[in-house]
Amino acid sequence: SQQGEEDPQALSIQEGENATMNCSYKTSINNLQWYRQNSGRGLVHLILIRSNEREKHSGRLRVTLDTSKKSSSLLITASRAADTASYFCATLNYNNNDMRFGAGTRLTVKP
Amino acid sequence: DAGVTQSPTHLIKTRGQQVTLRCSPKSGHDTVSWYQQALGQGPQFIFQYYEEEERQRGNFPDRFSGHQFPNYSSELNVNALLLGDSALYLCASSPGLAGVRVETQYFGPGTRLLVL
Repeated sequence: SQQGEEDPQALSIQEGENATMNCSYKTSINNLQWYRQNSGRGLVHLILIRSNEREKHSGRLRVTLDTSKKSSSLLITASRAADTASYFCATLNYNNNDMRFGAGTRLTVKP
Repeated sequence: DAGVTQSPTHLIKTRGQQVTLRCSPKSGHDTVSWYQQALGQGPQFIFQYYEEEERQRGNFPDRFSGHQFPNYSSELNVNALLLGDSALYLCASSPGLAGVRVETQYFGPGTRLLVL
C-alpha cells in the first residue's frame, strides 16, 4: 500500500513561477525523499531530508519536513519548462527498509 | 560508469503466461529493489535483494518471485500473469551500507509490461 499522499494531484504554472507540492505520510520515518519522473520513465532522486532536519536546499529546490504533522513540502523556484514531470515523495523507515511512495503530483510548466 | 539498466524495455504477454524481467545495478551497488508502478500511481515496493537473498517483501502474492546473482544483477519473475499485472516495473539499486540500511536509490528506466 502507498504510504503518503501528494497534494495537489496536478499543478499547472507559467515558467518563472514557483511550484509548491505537499506530501503527507502516516507512519514514523527515518528520512523522506523526493523523486522526479519524466513521462513514465525511471525516477530521478532529487533530495533527501532526515527526520531530524527541518529544511534542506539544493539549487532551486527547497524541502521542508514537519514530523509532528507528518508532512513535507517541495518548493521549486523559478520553474522552467524542463521541470515538467511527476514528482513523488518517498518515505523510509530503517526497520522496514522499504521505500514507500505517494501517488505523485503532476507538474506542468508552460513556456 | 553505467547506471541501472533493465531489459527488455517493453513486453507484451497474454494472461496465464510467465515473464522474466532483468536488472543490472549501478556499479558498486549490492542491493536491488523492485517496484511495480501502475498507470497514474506511485511505485509500489515488491521486494529487495541483498547477498542473493530476499531481504524484504511488500504486499505482493507469491506469483512474484525474484533472484539475485553473485554479480548483484537481479531478475523478477511473474507467473500466471493477470491483466492487472500490466504496469511499469522499476528496478532500483543502492549501496547497502554494509547490507543493513538502504537510503538513496538509483532507478533504472523500467520495463513496461502489457498483459492482454
